[in-house]
Amino acid sequence: GAGVSQSPSNKVTEKGKDVELRCDPISGHTALYWYRQRLGQGLEFLIYFQGNSAPDKSGLPSDRFSAERTGESVSTLTIQRTQQEDSAVYLCASSPGTQGEKLFFGSGTQLSVL
Amino acid sequence: GQNIDQPTEMTATEGAIVQINCTYQTSGFNGLFWYQQHAGEAPTFLSYNVLDGLEEKGRFSSFLSRSKGYSYLLLKELQMKDSASYLCAAISSNTGKLIFGQGTTLQVKP
Repeated sequence: GAGVSQSPSNKVTEKGKDVELRCDPISGHTALYWYRQRLGQGLEFLIYFQGNSAPDKSGLPSDRFSAERTGESVSTLTIQRTQQEDSAVYLCASSPGTQGEKLFFGSGTQLSVL
Repeated sequence: GQNIDQPTEMTATEGAIVQINCTYQTSGFNGLFWYQQHAGEAPTFLSYNVLDGLEEKGRFSSFLSRSKGYSYLLLKELQMKDSASYLCAAISSNTGKLIFGQGTTLQVKP
């Protein structure tokens, strides 16, 4: 596609349920980031994939959070046993991978945990 | 580690000039980005600086001083549509990771 695609755009779930968020980066982009943005706040780094290197998971807030990426394509962010504090917009971004290349963002997934 | 600091909120008048400052600390440095984010939308790219100096792009300019760990975004001839959050982000040359500041919410008033 022409841009970064995220699905679903909105997800409402009950506390304790697992959710899976999907990101389709721009074709050919080797770098992929996940960020979390709580209402009125900045972007909180979660995880970074670069090509076939081991992902940088240093931003994942707890072991309930995990992410995978298949090659240089789709990535999924999984949140297990969701909590109300997980409610936020989850943004995915990709770039060609050369340091200094700008990130292209998806429209995000608005997650609401009731 | 990495740390990005910028003011939380700013207010300016339509037609005026506003400067949004950002200070950063990174483990290795490979450039600084500014992004604009309107409420409810994804961030969009504004500028990228890796060398010292001023980069001008229409009404928007961005400045970088590597020795001071400092950048600013300058917006001229402010328009109402410039009301948005402006995000400063630095990329680490050691990790390739892009870390964002908390963002500066700019309100442009008539």
